[in-house]
Amino acid sequence: DSGVTQTPKHLITATGQRVTLRCSPRSGDLSVYWYQQSLDQGLQFLIQYYNGEERAKGNILERFSAQQFPDLHSELNLSSLELGDSALYFCASSVLQNTEAFFGQGTRLTVV
Amino acid sequence: AQSVAQPEDQVNVAEGNPLTVKCTYSVSGNPYLFWYVQYPNRGLQFLLKYITGDNLVKGSYGFEAEFNKSQTSFHLKKPSALVSDSALYFCAVRERGWGKLQFGAGTQVVVTP
Repeated sequence: DSGVTQTPKHLITATGQRVTLRCSPRSGDLSVYWYQQSLDQGLQFLIQYYNGEERAKGNILERFSAQQFPDLHSELNLSSLELGDSALYFCASSVLQNTEAFFGQGTRLTVV
Repeated sequence: AQSVAQPEDQVNVAEGNPLTVKCTYSVSGNPYLFWYVQYPNRGLQFLLKYITGDNLVKGSYGFEAEFNKSQTSFHLKKPSALVSDSALYFCAVRERGWGKLQFGAGTQVVVTP
């Protein structure tokens, strides 16, 4: 158990809908990362927060948004969902930006 | 722009033989380098990292990796592979500062008895 908690574990929703994925980092970790893993795209970096502030941004679609709250948990919001958004979404956390990141078990999103 | 490449989609090795998983990177300045392993339907597990210092880094489960600055490589090695090492292995790189933690495409390791 990495100490990073993601909820829900599985999510099935229809195209056009909006979902929110939640991540609780390890105790003491200030940095949170979001990744999308799909079969054809591999592990894609979406966004990183450090102590509530956005620090790095990857190939995150405009339909997606994220934030890190004062208690350091983070949420990834996915809207206007398309079939191609079906993937595993991982959250990871680290103490600092140069230390290893620990990953949650992921949320498997299926868009039908 | 930073990048990381894992040139082999799959590595096949017999149990007891040495295992090597290759990784090369491109980044400005000195990088932070990481290896992770992913088992089916699981999250990524951290194996080892290179930040600075000795070029040979030892990690979990008997794995080690060698940082080679001139060849911009960070290959993962294990002297004697186990069937339980069969999994998907990811190399990751980050620029110093606030660079994103970027992963390679992954290498599937298959260890046969």
